[in-house]
Amino acid sequence: SQQGEEDPQALSIQEGENATMNCSYKTSINNLQWYRQNSGRGLVHLILIRSNEREKHSGRLRVTLDTSKKSSSLLITASRAADTASYFCATDPGDSGGSNYKLTFGKGTLLTVNP
Amino acid sequence: SQTIHQWPATLVQPVGSPLSLECTVEGTSNPNLYWYRQAAGRGLQLLFYSVGIGQISSEVPQNLSASRPQDRQFILSSKKLLLSDSGFYLCAWDQRGPGNTIYFGEGSWLTVV
Repeated sequence: SQQGEEDPQALSIQEGENATMNCSYKTSINNLQWYRQNSGRGLVHLILIRSNEREKHSGRLRVTLDTSKKSSSLLITASRAADTASYFCATDPGDSGGSNYKLTFGKGTLLTVNP
Repeated sequence: SQTIHQWPATLVQPVGSPLSLECTVEGTSNPNLYWYRQAAGRGLQLLFYSVGIGQISSEVPQNLSASRPQDRQFILSSKKLLLSDSGFYLCAWDQRGPGNTIYFGEGSWLTVV
């Protein structure tokens, strides 16, 4: 069953604007991860936030986690054309004995940043 | 530093032909290894994972199989491809332990015709 669901499915903004993507999930998690995928390429890990954390920053990225609402958001500030990609959230229930085999990916948000 | 290599990058195969996709990881030992499939506009579906040599777990019944003949080598195979096997296949690895980052290869585009 699909755990993480990103919203919106597609987002188009102008360079310099902020982009916000949301992820909702259904069951309890140990951590939530965000990945980026350029068209036709592999996924690249962006940031991991644990269930006991509420906010994390990495460069122009800001991730929040609200476990009471079972939702997370990824904010990219001052977007650039190079940020154009699909962004996926992935949830980890944390009971997989030291592997990521239970990591469940959403369908992604396609972000287009227009120059 | 660790790297992951996956090949071939693209291939077009006729229905009924065999398949072999290979993946190797360098710069680490005893990794967990994964094969995912991504259909167009969809998320990733885990096909197989392995926590050690010769240890393969399958997540979904399908026409594919996987093998891990060496610690850092993971192979995805099929004896007879189906049209429905077309897709983007991604190999990935992570280090044992909870909440570790998973690292992906560049992917292999498979078109079955």
